[in-house]
Amino acid sequence: AAGVIQSPRHLIKEKRETATLKCYPIPRHDTVYWYQQGPGQDPQFLISFYEKMQSDKGSIPDRFSAQQFSDYHSELNMSSLELGDSALYFCASSPYGSPREKLFFGSGTQLSVL
Amino acid sequence: AQTVTQSQPEMSVQEAETVTLSCTYDTSENNYYLFWYKQPPSRQMILVIRQEAYKQQNATENRFSVNFQKAAKSFSLKISDSQLGDTAMYFCAFMRGQAGTALIFGKGTTLSVSS
Repeated sequence: AAGVIQSPRHLIKEKRETATLKCYPIPRHDTVYWYQQGPGQDPQFLISFYEKMQSDKGSIPDRFSAQQFSDYHSELNMSSLELGDSALYFCASSPYGSPREKLFFGSGTQLSVL
Repeated sequence: AQTVTQSQPEMSVQEAETVTLSCTYDTSENNYYLFWYKQPPSRQMILVIRQEAYKQQNATENRFSVNFQKAAKSFSLKISDSQLGDTAMYFCAFMRGQAGTALIFGKGTTLSVSS
């Protein structure tokens, strides 16, 4: 079965650089969520999109922006990277129709800021 | 705002034994969902079990079951016949009953199963 695809799997950046993370939801999933998980930490909700519109917003820094495109894939853009941005970034999607609350997670993008 | 609290940072159990992980939450919502997620060393997030708040019957999935006490805002996970593969971080999570809203995680409990 198709799963949530995230790219790249690993990313290494320097401080003050920019990064773009991509997420491809499972076909027929119209809702996408982004999470940030630091080492040994719980996942922190960043932002979500439902039918290409922002549906909820969490602790996303102003340096980050995200959007969902017409094909439902989503991109998380991160600028002026800081050391503290080093984390595993998860994307999750949920289906059109029931059960909407069931999230399917991708394998994550490990971002390292040096 | 909703909060999820897991009071047990670490737990350990022997193979074949039963273990219970605790979770409490705080919300003023009436329509919501509760979840337990497992995160093994691979860091893949795996759904273990979910509970609709409007259902009084406790959810079960094979060796995993929950004790949902809505009035007490408690949602514990019981793992029966523990297996080595159950070794992982377990997160309790909460979601309001509205499409696209945040899934809020607790701090997690690290479970170690030994032979």
